[in-house]
Amino acid sequence: QVQLVQSGAEVKKPGASVKVSCKASGYTFNKYGISWVRQAPGQGLEWMGWISVYNDKTDYAQKFHGRVTLTTDTSTTTAYMELRSLRSDDTAVYYCARVPTIFGVVIIPNRFDYWGQGTLVTVSS
Amino acid sequence: EIVLTQSPGTLSLSPGERATLSCRASQSVSISDLAWYQQKPGQAPRLLIYGASSRATDIPDKFSGSGSGTDFSLTISRLEPADFAVYYCQHYGSSPLFTFGPGTKVELK
Repeated sequence: QVQLVQSGAEVKKPGASVKVSCKASGYTFNKYGISWVRQAPGQGLEWMGWISVYNDKTDYAQKFHGRVTLTTDTSTTTAYMELRSLRSDDTAVYYCARVPTIFGVVIIPNRFDYWGQGTLVTVSS
Repeated sequence: EIVLTQSPGTLSLSPGERATLSCRASQSVSISDLAWYQQKPGQAPRLLIYGASSRATDIPDKFSGSGSGTDFSLTISRLEPADFAVYYCQHYGSSPLFTFGPGTKVELK
């Protein structure tokens, strides 16, 4: 069965970086993309970025440009999200989600069909 | 940039009642680009509907999606205790690539 298993909770100081992992299993890793979505406490869902595992093509939300980097490791079927220059308002649960794609293009109709369990990142001095 | 607006912000209903949730886009979008998710407290979101009206795997037929252009809706025909949650619509576009609405909370009356 399809599973996305994320790394554990992190506590970071302002200005630091965090790297969250998302281990995929149960499907052919390079036939899908991975999106990252975050949710601040008591708030809604915020899309951060997307990576095509097929060709490493990325697309980032303007808000995170220059601060976030998405990567994948096909040898371990793991996706990574690194967020730099952390601030207190980056405190949130970070989710990875699978996005059906073909040759690096999102399949229509689009959807995030499987999600990781979430990783809480707390930024505090 | 397309902005999604969901209404109402909170819907207070009783078990057995019908829930109708609205998602309005700031400009016309393709039905292929509209999806709905359910999120319960402490859990990851779950895909309910994609392509505006196609149910995801294992989603019961009491959940239905409809709409076109700028107005879309999610209907839950008979609310059960497990259906009280927050529901988000989501759009696939170009810039940004993906957008979520602010959510509608369906709460027990």
